[in-house]
This record gives sequence, C-alpha cells and structure tokens, in this order.
Amino acid sequence: DAKTTQPPSMDCAEGRAANLPCNHSTISGNEYVYWYRQIHSQGPQYIIHGLKNNETNEMASLIITEDRKSSTLILPHATLRDTAVYYCIVRVAGRDDKIIFGKGTRLHILP
Amino acid sequence: GAGVSQSPRYKVAKRGQDVALRCDPISGHVSLFWYQQALGQGPEFLTYFQNEAQLDKSGLPSDRFFAERPEGSVSTLKIQRTQQEDSAVYLCASSLGLLNTEAFFGQGTRLTVV
Repeated sequence: DAKTTQPPSMDCAEGRAANLPCNHSTISGNEYVYWYRQIHSQGPQYIIHGLKNNETNEMASLIITEDRKSSTLILPHATLRDTAVYYCIVRVAGRDDKIIFGKGTRLHILP
Repeated sequence: GAGVSQSPRYKVAKRGQDVALRCDPISGHVSLFWYQQALGQGPEFLTYFQNEAQLDKSGLPSDRFFAERPEGSVSTLKIQRTQQEDSAVYLCASSLGLLNTEAFFGQGTRLTVV
C-alpha cells in the first residue's frame, strides 16, 4: 500500500503557484520523498525528490516539514501543460526497488 | 533511442488470445520495471529486473503473466489466455541501477481485451 495521502483533486489558475500537499506520517528515517507526474496518455515523469532539506530544480520546489511527516510540491508559475496527476511517493534511495504509486492528485490548471 | 520505447502502442486481443508486449529501455539502464495501470488508477507494480535477473515478480496477478529479459536489455511481458480484466495500460520503466533511482517511463501499451 502507498504510504502517502494526497487530496484527490485541486484547481490552480494559470500563472499562479500550484501548491500540492502530501502527508507521509509514517515515513522512516532512510526514506526519501519523491514526486512524479503523469500527463494524460503518457507515462509518469520524475519531478523531484528530497530527504529533509528543501529542494529546487528547473521544474519545481519541494518543501519538507521539519518532522518530515508532510511535504508540499510547488510549481511556481503553473501553465496549462502542468495539468496532470501528481504522485507523492516515499522510498528508500539507493535501492532500485519498485515505486509504489497511490492515487495521486489530479491538478487542473484553469485558463 | 532517447527514451524508453514500448510497442505496440495499442493492442486489441480477443479473450483467450496470447499477447506479447515489448519494452526497449534506455541504453545502459540496468533496472527495468513493468507496471499495470487500470483506467483512473495509479500504476500497479508487476515485476522488476536487474540486468537479466528477475528479482521481484510479486506483482504479477496470475501465472498467465510472464516477463523476460534474456540479454539484459529488451524485455517482453507476455499474457496468456487474456481475460477482460487484463485490459489496462502496461507501462515499462528503466533506470541506471542501485545508486540512481530516477526511473524513466515509456508511454505504455494500451491493451483492450474484447
């Protein structure tokens, strides 16, 4: 079973920041938080991952709370192309083990 | 190629027919994963290879499902005697190996059993 809880859907206006929450209250000390997204009719796409520090790359920022029980993925300036299902996943980095997907959050970007 | 390639993109099979789905991973990628995705659901893990070794097949739903990767590159997922509940998108992913856990996914094969 997935170890994360996400809202089933969210709306965001185009050009605004999209903030996607994720709860992972049972996360272990050696587990990382990963985010993937899946655009309609495509395979999942890696976005970002982190352990306990905030992370930023060209796609998004990841904010992890100090107790590591929750995190937020931030898309700073959402566009229509960001409409997708976003999956928050916890897994042990360094082990190339299976990724367990939950139901994710369906993000709608509104024009 | 530049990414993970799956073929065919679409497959329609009559119930009871055998099907074979192909995955060409990114060149040099050691790890290869197969997932099944039903409509409106997240991907469900099926099986995992490291090179030619099948290290985890715990997600295969029945003995009608069989996967192989004989030379450690291309993989084939075979489904025997297809049933309607096998209708789904089958996704393949590959990654470099133990120390690099970013997985790259193909676009999937949509299987429809009629």
